[in-house]
Amino acid sequence: NAGVTQTPKFRILKIGQSMTLQCTQDMNHNYMYWYRQDPGMGLKLIYYSVGAGITDKGEVPNGYNVSRSTTEDFPLRLELAAPSQTSVYFCASSRIAGVSYNEQFFGPGTRLTVL
Amino acid sequence: ILNVEQSPQSLHVQEGDSTNFTCSFPSSNFYALHWYRWETAKSPEALFVMTLNGDEKKKGRISATLNTKEGYSYLYIKGSQPEDSATYLCALAEVYGGSQGNLIFGKGTKLSVKP
Repeated sequence: NAGVTQTPKFRILKIGQSMTLQCTQDMNHNYMYWYRQDPGMGLKLIYYSVGAGITDKGEVPNGYNVSRSTTEDFPLRLELAAPSQTSVYFCASSRIAGVSYNEQFFGPGTRLTVL
Repeated sequence: ILNVEQSPQSLHVQEGDSTNFTCSFPSSNFYALHWYRWETAKSPEALFVMTLNGDEKKKGRISATLNTKEGYSYLYIKGSQPEDSATYLCALAEVYGGSQGNLIFGKGTKLSVKP
């Protein structure tokens, strides 16, 4: 099992450009999450999905969009990149949410810089 | 928005020292408490998921306790080794409701163990 994979690992964008961060998991997990991690801050939830076709906003969704057409994939889209979106982005998945043993499995992260 | 506090922010210890750090959370919103270990340039990995007041979990030299009534959890490392150097994150699983099983992360405690 590869677990949770993310591409790309690094990316530099210009202001106003768009891009998609890819996330795939091969553990057949229902729940998937996107977080961003800024220096000195905890992980902040951007969007999450409880299954194919179902997504919902997290704490910091502005400037992002997601889709979940399959159980495996959960891409994150930045439409008009802004410097405030410079961050490290982590995708995670979990088997079941809302139960006590809901540990999350994280991908390796994508480091994004917007100039 | 729930707040999960971790202290200290950083900790420097010598190899062989035992150490502990704290995660505080609002006791009224408790559902589950997670601990993750996050090494530099890697992704967070789950250490423990704790649910019951008085829970104690152990993995090798690392252990954790939970007090849901007063809203805190301690993580202990006995006989620290350089490979224990990492950021230790705690995360509160929200009360089951509209946000199903989402985690609220603290900012982490960064542990450095000198040989």
